[in-house]
Amino acid sequence: QSALTQPASVSGSPGQSITISCTGTSSDVGNYNLVSWYQQHPGKAPKLMIYEVNRRPSGVSNRFSASKSGNTASLTISGLQAEDEADYYCCSYAGSSTYVFGTGTKVTVL
Amino acid sequence: QVQLVQSGAEVKKPGASVKVSCKASGYTFTNYYIHWVRQAPGEGLQWMGVINASGGRTSYAQRFQDRVTMTRDTSTSTFYMELSSLRSEDTAVYYCAGELPSTSRFDSWGQGTLVTVSS
Repeated sequence: QSALTQPASVSGSPGQSITISCTGTSSDVGNYNLVSWYQQHPGKAPKLMIYEVNRRPSGVSNRFSASKSGNTASLTISGLQAEDEADYYCCSYAGSSTYVFGTGTKVTVL
Repeated sequence: QVQLVQSGAEVKKPGASVKVSCKASGYTFTNYYIHWVRQAPGEGLQWMGVINASGGRTSYAQRFQDRVTMTRDTSTSTFYMELSSLRSEDTAVYYCAGELPSTSRFDSWGQGTLVTVSS
């Protein structure tokens, strides 16, 4: 199972919006509405930001939104803030009780 | 949400095995799946496998199939991940993560356990 493909880095100025893509295949992202997104600050455990493609857990800012089209999922951060600077990972169910993570994207707030 | 507390850092020699524990609290034990995810230094997250707390059924990523064993002790609400035939490339932080059955979301994470493989 190959990792989902994400851009290595994305940057934006405070207040701007950025979008991170996550490209898989018809065996994972394209076949299940079970894509989740995780935020990870340096030295910390990942934190769930989005699940089931576009649902936010309670407590996660509505500045975070997500979608999916075909084999590609996307995470958008609106109104970028300094605290959003972190690594972001997508994750998809891949069938037979297995999962695959994305390669990860470093978000930099300029 | 379940709270997950992992065992401390380990240093192992190549060829040895390591067993990392993950103690769960704050929920009904049988109501969770526990996943194991690792992260090599400077690298991304890698899903290793999952164990069903209720019946102990497991599913492993193909690349770890021959070397990983996930178990649980229902009497202590503790989960274990054992990785054998260690090599330097297994040096990583290993996380346990909790999933309510069939939600496909890892909403609770342990603090991570650093495993260093070095001769």
